Amino acid sequence: AQTVTQSQPEMSVQEAETVTLSCTYDTSENNYYLFWYKQPPSRQMILVIRQEAYKQQNATENRFSVNFQKAAKSFSLKISDSQLGDTAMYFCAFMKGDSSYTLIFGSGTRLLVRP
Amino acid sequence: DTGVSQDPRHKITKRGQNVTFRCDPISEHNRLYWYRQTLGQGPEFLTYFQNEAQLEKSRLLSDRFSAERPKGSFSTLEIQRTEQGDSAMYLCASHNSERGLFSGANVLTFGAGSRLTVL
Repeated sequence: AQTVTQSQPEMSVQEAETVTLSCTYDTSENNYYLFWYKQPPSRQMILVIRQEAYKQQNATENRFSVNFQKAAKSFSLKISDSQLGDTAMYFCAFMKGDSSYTLIFGSGTRLLVRP
Repeated sequence: DTGVSQDPRHKITKRGQNVTFRCDPISEHNRLYWYRQTLGQGPEFLTYFQNEAQLEKSRLLSDRFSAERPKGSFSTLEIQRTEQGDSAMYLCASHNSERGLFSGANVLTFGAGSRLTVL
C-alpha cells in the first residue's frame, strides 16, 4: 500500500519570502505521479504542480517548484515570492501509474502568508 | 467548462437519519470520483465511476454508503443511518480519461464539497 506523509501541520511565511513544504511517500511502484494540491478556505482543491516519477528534472510552475528525490521518496514544494493568496491548505498526493487515476493524499500543511 | 457542482454545500442531520449528496461533473468527463475529508486530514478515496459503471470501492465505503451514477452523468452518494463519525466533507471530482491523464489543467477537477454534520 502507498502512504503519503506531510510532517508539517502548519507553516508560516512572510509575504515575498520563500517557504518549503515537505512530503515523503512510500511505494513499491516504479511508475507513478506526484502532485501538490492547494485548498483555499471553503473553496475547491486545485492542482499546483505535478511530477512524473520517470522524469529526473524537477517540475516548475511559475513561483512553484518541487525537489523530487526519487531514491529518498521525497517530494517537497518550494513557493517563492509568497503572496497573500497562497494562504491555504496544501496537500501532497500520490497516484499509481495505472488507469484508475485515484489519488492518495497526505494530511496536509496549513500555510499562512503574513503581510 | 462550468466546473464540478456539489449539492448541498452543507447538511446538518441527526444521528440515524439518511442523507444524499449530489455531484454534477464537467459534462464531457466520463470519470467521477468520491472522496471523504475529515477535519484536519487529507481526502480519502471512496469510490469512482467510469460512465455508469462503478469500477472501484474503498474499504471505507461501508454497507451504509451507496453511490450511483445511473446515466453516466450526475452521481449521488447516500449515507444511511448516519453516525457522528460520518461527519466530514464529501468531495467529488471528475476527469476525462479518454483524453489521457494530463488532458486538463487540473488532472482531477474537484468540486467545493458537501459538508456533513451529524449531531
